[in-house]
Amino acid sequence: GESVGLHLPTLSVQEGDNSIINCAYSNSASDYFIWYKQESGKGPQFIIDIRSNMDKRQGQRVTVLLNKTVKHLSLQIAATQPGDSAVYFCAETLMDSSYKLIFGSGTRLLVRP
Amino acid sequence: GAVVSQHPSRVICKSGTSVKIECRSLDFQATTMFWYRQFPKKSLMLMATSNEGSKATYEQGVEKDKFLINHASLTLSTLTVTSAHPEDSSFYICSARGGLGLKETQYFGPGTRLLVL
Repeated sequence: GESVGLHLPTLSVQEGDNSIINCAYSNSASDYFIWYKQESGKGPQFIIDIRSNMDKRQGQRVTVLLNKTVKHLSLQIAATQPGDSAVYFCAETLMDSSYKLIFGSGTRLLVRP
Repeated sequence: GAVVSQHPSRVICKSGTSVKIECRSLDFQATTMFWYRQFPKKSLMLMATSNEGSKATYEQGVEKDKFLINHASLTLSTLTVTSAHPEDSSFYICSARGGLGLKETQYFGPGTRLLVL
C-alpha cells in the first residue's frame, strides 16, 4: 500500500497488502495520540494509542509510529483484510484535566478482494 | 471491557419536539463523558464535556440551552436536543473516559442518528 496524507481522503489497497495511513497533528504540546476506526453508521472504535514518550507501538496487525519532530503520526495495518475497510481517524490530546480529543479529518480505507 | 452504549440508536421526530439521548458506560465508571456531533463524511466535532455531578463545559458555538447535558451518575450522561429543528439532524456520538487503566482513552458509543422532520 501507498502512504497518503489526510488531504487524500481515500486509500485503496489489495487484500493481503500492508496499509499505511498518515496523519499530521496540529499541536506540538499534544502528548497522547489515538487511532480510531469507524465503520459506516457506527461509533469510532479504539485501535491503538501511543504516548509522546514513545515513537512506536505495536498491536495485533497494527503499528503506530510517532514522529514528534514533524508532528506526524502513522498507522500501519499488516495483511489488510476486507474487514479493515472503514474510515480511520487519528486523534490527539493533552493529558491534562480535560483530555479533549482533536480529531483529524479521516482517511477512508478500501480493501479490494 | 470498556463498553459504551447509546439509546436510542435512531430517532425521528417532528420539528419543535425535544429528544433525549442516553449514554451509558456499561462496565466501568466514567469520570468524564463527551458528546460529539458528526455530519456525513466529516470528522467528529466535540460539543461538550460532561463531568459527573457538575455542569457541562460547552465548546464555542454550541448552544447550552439547545443541547442540555446531564451527567447524573458515573455511568450515565444524557443529551437533550430541545425544540429540535431540521438543521439539528445529525449523528450524535458520546464517549466515556474512566480511571484505573482507562484514564486517558475515550471509548465511544455506537451513535444516535437523529432526523428532524
